[in-house]
Amino acid sequence: SAVISQKPSRDICQRGTSLTIQCQVDSQVTMMFWYRQQPGQSLTLIATANQGSEATYESGFVIDKFPISRPNLTFSTLTVSNMSPEDSSIYLCSVEREPMNTEAFFGQGTRLTVV
Amino acid sequence: SQQGEEDPQALSIQEGENATMNCSYKTSINNLQWYRQNSGRGLVHLILIRSNEREKHSGRLRVTLDTSKKSSSLLITASRAADTASYFCATVQGAQKLVFGQGTRLTINP
Repeated sequence: SAVISQKPSRDICQRGTSLTIQCQVDSQVTMMFWYRQQPGQSLTLIATANQGSEATYESGFVIDKFPISRPNLTFSTLTVSNMSPEDSSIYLCSVEREPMNTEAFFGQGTRLTVV
Repeated sequence: SQQGEEDPQALSIQEGENATMNCSYKTSINNLQWYRQNSGRGLVHLILIRSNEREKHSGRLRVTLDTSKKSSSLLITASRAADTASYFCATVQGAQKLVFGQGTRLTINP
């Protein structure tokens, strides 16, 4: 299994500001994933973060809005920039031990409210 | 884009009853996974069923997979109040990307 520490667990932010979410894994992993879960909805993949290269963003998500860092194999950050109330969501990081073949492990999520 | 369709969207049953949730998907898969989410927290993996498997059990959970119909079901037997959560199916698309269904919100009434 993998233990993922994600913080902050929740925050209330003013519109126009930015929030950086941190995700720390207890062992080295190749790929880390960032998801958004809007209220009452399912999870949508924002981007895949690989160590040593730029993150790969899904359709509808751009680096300027959601910059990602991946400085090493156990850590990643997601920044939500220039926030608006529409960014109010739960943000989750995830890793897989063996991509495509086994379970994914998730952080506890960051509940973001933008006012 | 979301691939999975789950039904029902919400399910409310009495403690001790069985709960069945269904998931449909559109593309071919290597495996299908079920996850549980308590109160908007992180997801917890429940069970994985591979494309060459038809049924799998884990404790009170039973998962079936019908690749000809591109559907799966999750059965929770003898439900407990602690089973109250949202349940999501997920399949792998493309290069190592998990795609989640819309989820079923399950409420177990004492």
